[in-house]
Amino acid sequence: GQNIDQPTEMTATEGAIVQINCTYQTSGFNGLFWYQQHAGEAPTFLSYNVLDGLEEKGRFSSFLSRSKGYSYLLLKELQMKDSASYLCAVRDGSGGGADGLTFGKGTHLIIQP
Amino acid sequence: GAVVSQHPSRVICKSGTSVKIECRSLDFQATTMFWYRQFPKQSLMLMATSNEGSKATYEQGVEKDKFLINHASLTLSTLTVTSAHPEDSSFYICSAQGDRGSTDTQYFGPGTRLTVL
Repeated sequence: GQNIDQPTEMTATEGAIVQINCTYQTSGFNGLFWYQQHAGEAPTFLSYNVLDGLEEKGRFSSFLSRSKGYSYLLLKELQMKDSASYLCAVRDGSGGGADGLTFGKGTHLIIQP
Repeated sequence: GAVVSQHPSRVICKSGTSVKIECRSLDFQATTMFWYRQFPKQSLMLMATSNEGSKATYEQGVEKDKFLINHASLTLSTLTVTSAHPEDSSFYICSAQGDRGSTDTQYFGPGTRLTVL
């Protein structure tokens, strides 16, 4: 079966750095995604990792270790608008490349002044 | 990034009626689109995979006769909730996979909030 775990809630301070971890156990693997979701809105794409290593995109970076079934999302120079839920999602790759994503329950990140 | 639209953004209907939701990829062709559902304070759950020109693939536990999916063109997929009931009230979100094949990301539409009275 599919199992994706991430912390339910985290709190961080404006201007600081926060790391959100995600571990997964899936029947296959064809990429891991991070999305940001504000309450009542659809997810917006942040990053995609399919190979091991770090992907950096501005204030956001995402890391993947396939052997450990582990990823993290790193947010730097936190801003109040970064308060949102962060969703880790895995594409399991068993559908010939066109696969729906399996989502974790999301990490609710609260930024304090 | 790629743009995906959904219509309507919000719908309220009476129990027993049918509701159609459209999902469009605006600036790319999407051979495959996906339909998700999200209940309050829960994660997104995949309902079905919509393939252009063929039948949709439904996830376990999703009734294909209740949630009708049509993917008539490379830019449009529709989800019809038939004989809607209050328990169908949810946030329905579609996504479209980019046209660079299996390594491409999925882009989400803005979602449709369905309330069944």
